Amino acid sequence: GQSLEQPSEVTAVEGAIVQINCTYQTSGFYGLSWYQQHDGGAPTFLSYNALDGLEETGRFSSFLSRSDSYGYLLLQELQMKDSASYFCAVSSGIDDKIIFGKGTRLHILP
Amino acid sequence: EAGVTQFPSHSVIEKGQTVTLRCDPISGHDNLYWYRRVMGKEIKFLLHFVKESKQDESGMPNNRFLAERTGGTYSTLKVQPAELEDSGVYFCASSGLGGESEQYFGPGTRLTVT
Repeated sequence: GQSLEQPSEVTAVEGAIVQINCTYQTSGFYGLSWYQQHDGGAPTFLSYNALDGLEETGRFSSFLSRSDSYGYLLLQELQMKDSASYFCAVSSGIDDKIIFGKGTRLHILP
Repeated sequence: EAGVTQFPSHSVIEKGQTVTLRCDPISGHDNLYWYRRVMGKEIKFLLHFVKESKQDESGMPNNRFLAERTGGTYSTLKVQPAELEDSGVYFCASSGLGGESEQYFGPGTRLTVT
């Protein structure tokens, strides 16, 4: 089977740093993506890792360890607008479908 | 550049009726995907078109669902007859060929079957 595990909810304080972990078990692996979804909105792409290591894009960073089937999304200098659901997602091949985790609901406290 | 668009944004139908959802991908994107999120659950893959061909329809729940992409442009997803468990948000996404890491999602169609 294929599964992605991530925490269902995380709470953090505005201005702080939060890390959302994701472990995956899939029949094939091409890359790990992270998507953000605000209530009622479309999933929007945040980052992508195909190789081990850290990718940084502004306040957001994403890490991948292929040997551990593990990745995380790191959000720094949290802002209230970052309150949303965050999905890790695996693509199993080039141009392939995305398999999503169940999402992590991020609550940010002022 | 226009993004992925979907129509309608909301649809409320009775059990047994038919509904057709439409997706217009980003111009030039050959890959088109349909996903569905049932309330409280993860976003699940339904099917994948490359141009007008069905590349992967392993996620289609049953034969009440029919997807088409005539001419390799827009796509439709028809549910006939609709059942209560079909309620959810249906997302369409598109990407270019060649292993683009990002799929661009539409705003979704919220389907409610009563």
